[in-house]
Order: sequence, then C-alpha cells, then structure tokens
Amino acid sequence: QQPVQSPQAVILREGEDAVINCSSSKALYSVHWYRQKHGEAPIFLMILLKGGEQKGHDKISASFNEKKQQSSLYLTASQLSYSGTYFCGTEFTDSWGKFQFGAGTQVVVTP
Amino acid sequence: DGGITQSPKYLFRKEGQNVTLSCEQNLNHDAMYWYRQDPGQGLRLIYYSQIVNDFQKGDIAEGYSVSREKKESFPLTVTSAQKNPTAFYLCASSSAWAGGGYEKLFFGSGTQLSVL
Repeated sequence: QQPVQSPQAVILREGEDAVINCSSSKALYSVHWYRQKHGEAPIFLMILLKGGEQKGHDKISASFNEKKQQSSLYLTASQLSYSGTYFCGTEFTDSWGKFQFGAGTQVVVTP
Repeated sequence: DGGITQSPKYLFRKEGQNVTLSCEQNLNHDAMYWYRQDPGQGLRLIYYSQIVNDFQKGDIAEGYSVSREKKESFPLTVTSAQKNPTAFYLCASSSAWAGGGYEKLFFGSGTQLSVL
C-alpha cells in the first residue's frame, strides 16, 4: 500500500523545471510532500486534500488527482536549494493517521 | 519552543542486546510515529499510536516494540529479534483535524543505530 514515486532521481540545471509523481493503489484522503537533506529530518512542503486542488510553496506547487489516485509535485525554475530527496506521504480514508511514504525522488540541482 | 526530541543521536548495539530509542514531543499532538530509513531508501512505518495506551503495527513491526504510557512520549525498543537493525530512525508526531484526517508530520532529528 506504499505509494509509488517516479522518477527515482532527476538532475536539473538551475532554472529548469521537473515533475515528481506519486501514485496510489487505493483511494487517497490526503497526500503530503516533504523534502529531506542528507542526514536531516524531512521538512514539510504541503498537504493536498481534494481532487484537482493545487497548492504552492515558493516556486514549488502540487496537484492531486483524486480520480487517478495520484499527486504530482512541480519544481519550477529550480534553485540550488531545491536539491534533496522528495517524499510523498499518503493517508487513506479507511486508515486516518497512518502515513506511508514512497521510496523518494532524489533531486540534484547544479549551477 | 515546541518540538520533538529524539535521543540519542547515535546508538550502538551489540549482538543479542535490546536497545531503546527515546522520542518526546511537547506539541500536544495526538499521534506519534516511528519510521526506519535505510541508505537511499524511503521511510518505512514501524509503529504508530493515535492515543495513549494504544498503538498499531506498521509495515515492518517485526523485531520492534513500543509503548505509549504518556501522550508526549513514544519510545521504540529494537529487540535482539531484529537481525538487521542498522538504520536511521525517525520519530514524528501529528495532530488530528476535527473533520477527519491528520495534519502535517513534525519529525525529530533522528537516531542513527549501528551494530557493533
């Protein structure tokens, strides 16, 4: 029941865009996005609750397609500080509070 | 300042030994979690608890045990039955929304457990 993330890794030059996908085999209640730097705790980026809703955090935004049971994270005009591993965490309607995470997407932004 | 505290930062375990990782939060959160992270891997749920004196197994509970005697504390014991305990362990907490579901997770800074 863990979500599936893709791609596993992406290398960007500063200013380029990227999309990270998170898919679930079950109907989702919420999707959380976090970023983790090496050896540190994950930092919260955003929560999505409703189908089709988009949220933003600086130049990072996300969408949630309830019908397709998936969420996408958009990194726009990437900055060096965007480097890290991005995780999606999912919560299901029949198990509120049980958060499961994908394997992560490693993002490297180069000058 | 409110937050979630894990200790110790580094822990070493000998063969056949049980070790306990501490997790304390002063955020008044209902739910607490333990995740295991292996190098280059995602976060795998070990146990979680939504109320005092109650907890549920996650995806990889074998070889681990927990207790939730107080709202603010959720210690994790790595038992000798866990044959491959070397990993980074993260504790987290969250608060329930009135209408259902839970808010964002707050993570501790983690404990790196290694086997001697």
